[in-house]
Amino acid sequence: EIVLTQSPATLSLSPGERATLSCRASQGVTSYLAWYQQKPGQAPRLLISDASNRATGIPARFSGSGSGTDFTLTISSLEPEDFAVYYCQQRNNWPWTFGQGTKVDIK
Amino acid sequence: EVQLVESGGGLVKAGGSLRLSCAASGFTFSDYSMNWVRQPPGKGLEWVSSISSSSSYIYYADSVRGRFTITRDNAKNSLWLQMNSLRAEDTAVYYCARSLFSGAPDYWGQGTLVTVSS
Repeated sequence: EIVLTQSPATLSLSPGERATLSCRASQGVTSYLAWYQQKPGQAPRLLISDASNRATGIPARFSGSGSGTDFTLTISSLEPEDFAVYYCQQRNNWPWTFGQGTKVDIK
Repeated sequence: EVQLVESGGGLVKAGGSLRLSCAASGFTFSDYSMNWVRQPPGKGLEWVSSISSSSSYIYYADSVRGRFTITRDNAKNSLWLQMNSLRAEDTAVYYCARSLFSGAPDYWGQGTLVTVSS
């Protein structure tokens, strides 16, 4: 099973700042990595698929990069609605696995 | 508008069974693989099971294999998860989610809560 390790666990930032979230895989997942946003009481929302492809309707301030074992989600300038938990997920191998999440909260 | 609506959750005793349903609308159900993902209260996401568009390919997490069964009926635009021999650690919100082929799930339902009491 591929283990995804996200860092940091919590990121405390102010609106307007840049957020950089990391996801590291225990073995290569090529580019088959996705990022999700989840707010309290809501279902996850797909942000990025295949490492760098923004999902439909996702603002351009969200971008993804990386391949192999190291991936990054960048939010260029945080909006108030971006404070949430973010998960990475790999679909290169079964079983699909998720990272443990990074919480982006207001500083 | 794409809609996925889960139902069938509830409180059950350890060792019992539940059948979750997911009703799909707003898209061509038979074109998509479907997935179940769960989230224990206050914890992260865990993939449970996936089924291909024609039911030819089915996958399970080790934690549920042999106890859970995923099925679908394309004529009814419906997905199910039969859960047997439930354990306390199966307590979670269960989400159904669609994906194109085996792509990243792009639409998720709002989830249904399953509580297993010991």
